[in-house]
Amino acid sequence: QKEVEQNSGPLSVPEGAIASLNCTYSDRGSQSFFWYRQYSGKSPELIMFIYSNGDKEDGRFTAQLNKASQYVSLLIRDSQPSDSATYLCAVTGDYKLSFGAGTTVTVRA
Amino acid sequence: GAVVSQHPSWVICKSGTSVKIECRSLDFQATTMFWYRQFPKQSLMLMATSNEGSKATYEQGVEKDKFLINHASLTLSTLTVTSAHPEDSSFYICSASRQGDTYEQYFGPGTRLTVT
Repeated sequence: QKEVEQNSGPLSVPEGAIASLNCTYSDRGSQSFFWYRQYSGKSPELIMFIYSNGDKEDGRFTAQLNKASQYVSLLIRDSQPSDSATYLCAVTGDYKLSFGAGTTVTVRA
Repeated sequence: GAVVSQHPSWVICKSGTSVKIECRSLDFQATTMFWYRQFPKQSLMLMATSNEGSKATYEQGVEKDKFLINHASLTLSTLTVTSAHPEDSSFYICSASRQGDTYEQYFGPGTRLTVT
């Protein structure tokens, strides 16, 4: 499987702050990039995906992709306690997803 | 739309027995289904990929005789853990992709397996 590395956590941020999550991948042929949120004991749920270089915004979430640097990030603005979860970066260039180990985010009230 | 269910949501079995987990796409036809395993504090590891009517493709290191996958229809895939052992205790998650969605996968809620 392709290697996907995420910044080690846990990441603790105060409520209302910005949480910044990073992900690098090894396969330069990767074409699609996903961010999933996983609550403890639950399966992953898709937050957003990005295919093209640049930024993509969806509500409080912004994904950034830089294919030249093989880097994708996720920003969570105005962090809420409900954002406390593990965030998984996933990459694919064919039909299979390769997941990073995840970064656990805790939002302090 | 794009809802995937799994049954059971949790199961406890004795060592040496077999357990079957079902994965269903409820409102779409799944051209491909995927089975993942997740151990505590670890990420999802792909076990196998299955297409309807075809044999599953297993990832390296996954025993195909132990983890039997059947994809009998475009809405149903099953994973049978044969002769289960305590080290097989894990969170098993299926996902499905639909025709036209090349890369996006829709995840089921997962099945927690405990082998005693």
